[in-house]
Parts: sequence; structure tokens; C-alpha cells
Amino acid sequence: GENVEQHPSTLSVQEGDSAVIKCTYSDSASNYFPWYKQELGKGPQLIIDIRSNVGEKKDQRIAVTLNKTAKHFSLHITETQPEDSAVYFCAASKGYSTLTFGKGTMLLVSP
Amino acid sequence: GAGVSQSPSNKVTEKGKDVELRCDPISGHTALYWYRQSLGQGLEFLIYFQGNSAPDKSGLPSDRFSAERTGGSVSTLTIQRTQQEDSAVYLCASSSLAFVQYFGPGTRLTVT
Repeated sequence: GENVEQHPSTLSVQEGDSAVIKCTYSDSASNYFPWYKQELGKGPQLIIDIRSNVGEKKDQRIAVTLNKTAKHFSLHITETQPEDSAVYFCAASKGYSTLTFGKGTMLLVSP
Repeated sequence: GAGVSQSPSNKVTEKGKDVELRCDPISGHTALYWYRQSLGQGLEFLIYFQGNSAPDKSGLPSDRFSAERTGGSVSTLTIQRTQQEDSAVYLCASSSLAFVQYFGPGTRLTVT
């Protein structure tokens, strides 16, 4: 089955800096890669996703890049703010099938 | 509009008791998923429903775990004879035909 590795497990940055979280996947048939943000005591919230026919996608301060050949994808957050502090999860799936999640990255943004 | 809702939000039960966890998906979403999140861990897939049928039950950890979905809407996850290792947050997600899974707030289960 699919295996998703996520790094780093924790990331501390100063407000205004950029943050990058990286994930690798094992199943070359995976074609959908979402990123979720989870705040304490809440369910995961989708923040951005990318499909395998696209190499990069941006939404304001957030961007995701995908390298299908290397089987890795990354989340980039620019101009970080304290409210970006949360746990971020990457995931992979083959279309409508189940998501396989990475183990998460705790992002801490210091004022 | 209304998102995915789950009840109860918290459940404390004694070892050996049965529990039922409920999920109300977003109206019109045909796919429904259950995941489990243990403390400090990622999300572990349990079961997937398409309509009322479950084409993928591969994540259920033991035969003490079962789930059903009725009317293509509400789903119930049942854990029989609970054990301490069942303590976790149980998350439900639903999806239409657009890949995206929307999660509920979860049910925190504590087995004492």
C-alpha cells in the first residue's frame, strides 16, 4: 500500500519567515495530494490540494509543489503569522480512494 | 452550509463496554470515511463507505470494530468490548465526486 513520509516533525520560525514542509510517497499511481491544517481540539481542515496533472498551485501565502518523478511534494507558507501555528498533515490518494497521511508537522510561529 | 458533524464530542467509557460513535456527513456527499488519530500520531484509515456499502474495510483493527451507514447518510462506528488501546480521537470525513474530504471535529474516546 501507499506510504507517506513527512518532514520535519516540528518546525519553529519567526513571524514573517517562510516555512517549508516536505512529503514523499511510495505509490506512483497516487494522483491527489491534499494538505490539512489541524488546530488543537479540532478536525483537520483542507488548506490546499494538488492533482498529478499540475506541478504547482498557489493560494495567497500558501503554495504546493509536486514532483511526480521523484514522488515528493512540498507545502510552502510565506510571510508566516502566529495564527499559522498548528499541525500540518500531507496526504496522498488514488482519486476517490482513502487518504494515506503523513505523521504531521507541528509548526510554531513566534511573534 | 453545514459541515460534517460528529457526536458525542467526548466519550469516557469503562474497559469492556460497547460504544457507538455517530457521523452526519455533508448533505449529498456519497462517500464517507472513518479515521482514527492516536495522541501525537497521524490519521489512520479505518473504513470507507460509498453510499451504504463499504468497499474498503481494510483499516478496521479487529473484529470488535464495525460500522454501518444507512440511507446513504448517517454512519455509526461501533466498538465492542472496548480496550484501553482504543482510546483515540475518531474522525469522520465525507466527500462528493471531487476528491476533497471534509472532516468533522472528531469524537475523543477515553477508555478507563
